[in-house]
Amino acid sequence: AQTVTQSQPEMSVQEAETVTLSCTYDTSESNYYLFWYKQPPSRQMILVIRQEAYKQQNATENRFSVNFQKAAKSFSLKISDSQLGDTAMYFCAFMKSWDQGGKLIFGQGTELSVKP
Amino acid sequence: DGGITQSPKYLFRKEGQNVTLSCEQNLNHDAMYWYRQDPGQGLRLIYYSQIVNDFQKGDIAEGYSVSREKKESFPLTVTSAQKNPTAFYLCASRGSYLTGNTIYFGEGSWLTVV
Repeated sequence: AQTVTQSQPEMSVQEAETVTLSCTYDTSESNYYLFWYKQPPSRQMILVIRQEAYKQQNATENRFSVNFQKAAKSFSLKISDSQLGDTAMYFCAFMKSWDQGGKLIFGQGTELSVKP
Repeated sequence: DGGITQSPKYLFRKEGQNVTLSCEQNLNHDAMYWYRQDPGQGLRLIYYSQIVNDFQKGDIAEGYSVSREKKESFPLTVTSAQKNPTAFYLCASRGSYLTGNTIYFGEGSWLTVV
């Protein structure tokens, strides 16, 4: 069975600085998807970034980028120029290829606080 | 606007009652999901449906039931058999391969047992 581990329950960063959130996963699959979701105090789950395992290039979305190390089964999220609105719970998630039901498996989350 | 609508936002259940959470999507997605979130934990899958009139149990299906009579709708019933139903419930749907199979979420529903 697949598992997702986020080893940092809480992190904090000063506004405008850079922070990296860690995520490791365990799978025997060769084709899969990885995601980072943000959950602000409103509790809505918002997609931050996604990565297809067959792509070697790391995904980037504005201030958010990932460091995807397939052999090490690591998928960290880097937030540059942190803003107060980035304060939220961040979840790393794994999904098998689409024909396996598309079920997301979530880590326990990292609570990020951005301080002014 | 396209999206996923969950209702009600807040729901209170008395002991022994069944309650139903609504989930509607206008994204034309085939697959839909129900997740449960407890404090300090990640999301856990209750049920999912890949196509109309078909659904499968997730990791914590006991005490829950679903139906999928229409593509747009995937209601979740929390039955009296669910012993600890107080939680935050999230409905989701999945886009196609062309959109990276991304799963999009509704705004969630809080269920409290009183």
